[in-house]
Amino acid sequence: SSELTQDPAVSVALGQTVTITCQGDSLRLYYATWYQQKPGQAPVLVIYTKHNRPSGIPERFSGSSSGDRASLTITGALAEDEADYFCGSRDSDGSNWVFGGGTKLTVL
Amino acid sequence: EVLLVESGGTLIRPGGSLRLSCAASGFTFSGSDMTWVRRAPGGGLESVAYISGGGGTTYYAESVKGRFSISRDNAKNSVFLQMNSLRDQDTATYFCARRSGTSYAFDIWGQGTVVTVSS
Repeated sequence: SSELTQDPAVSVALGQTVTITCQGDSLRLYYATWYQQKPGQAPVLVIYTKHNRPSGIPERFSGSSSGDRASLTITGALAEDEADYFCGSRDSDGSNWVFGGGTKLTVL
Repeated sequence: EVLLVESGGTLIRPGGSLRLSCAASGFTFSGSDMTWVRRAPGGGLESVAYISGGGGTTYYAESVKGRFSISRDNAKNSVFLQMNSLRDQDTATYFCARRSGTSYAFDIWGQGTVVTVSS
C-alpha cells in the first residue's frame, strides 16, 4: 500500500503563516485531503479535492498540490488552530484510503 | 442534523471479539460510502475498513485483513465493524466517517468509540 509522509511537528508564531506538507506517490493520482484533529475530538475535514474548503472552514486555510506533494497553508494562524493535521488520499491501487502520520502544529 | 454515533467500544482481552456499531442520521445513508478509521494512542489515522453504499465493495487495511469485517444495514442506517482475534495493537479510538459523494474526502465523522485490548 501507499505511504504519505508528513513532518511530525511544526510551529508558527501567532498571526504568521505556516505550511504543512505531505508527500507520497498516491498524490500523483489522487487529490490530497486535509483533516484537523484536536485532542479528544473527531477529525474535521478542512481541505478536499486539492484546494476546496467545506462550509464553515475559515478562508485562512488553503491547499495546493504539485506532483507527489500537497500542502496545507494557514495564513494568519490563530491559537485555535493548534492541532494535529493529517493528509489523506486514496491508495495508489485505488483500493483503500491512506493517511499521513500527522503534523502537530504548535502556535507560539 | 447530519450525525454519526459510534458504540460498542470497551476493554477486551487479546484474542477476543468485538462488534462496533455506527448509527447515521440526517442524510441518505444508502447513498453514502462509509469507513472506519482508527487512531491509536500516540499514533496517526489509519483507514481500517471501507464499504460502498450498497455494500457490494469493501476494502481493508493489511493490518486487519482476515480479522475484521465491515458490513452495513441500510434499513437501519447503520454500519458495523466486526473485530475478531483482537491484538494489543488494535487498541485505539475508532471513528466511523462518511465519504463525501464521489470526492476522496470523509466529510462527516462520529465522536469515536474507544477499544482497549489488554490482558
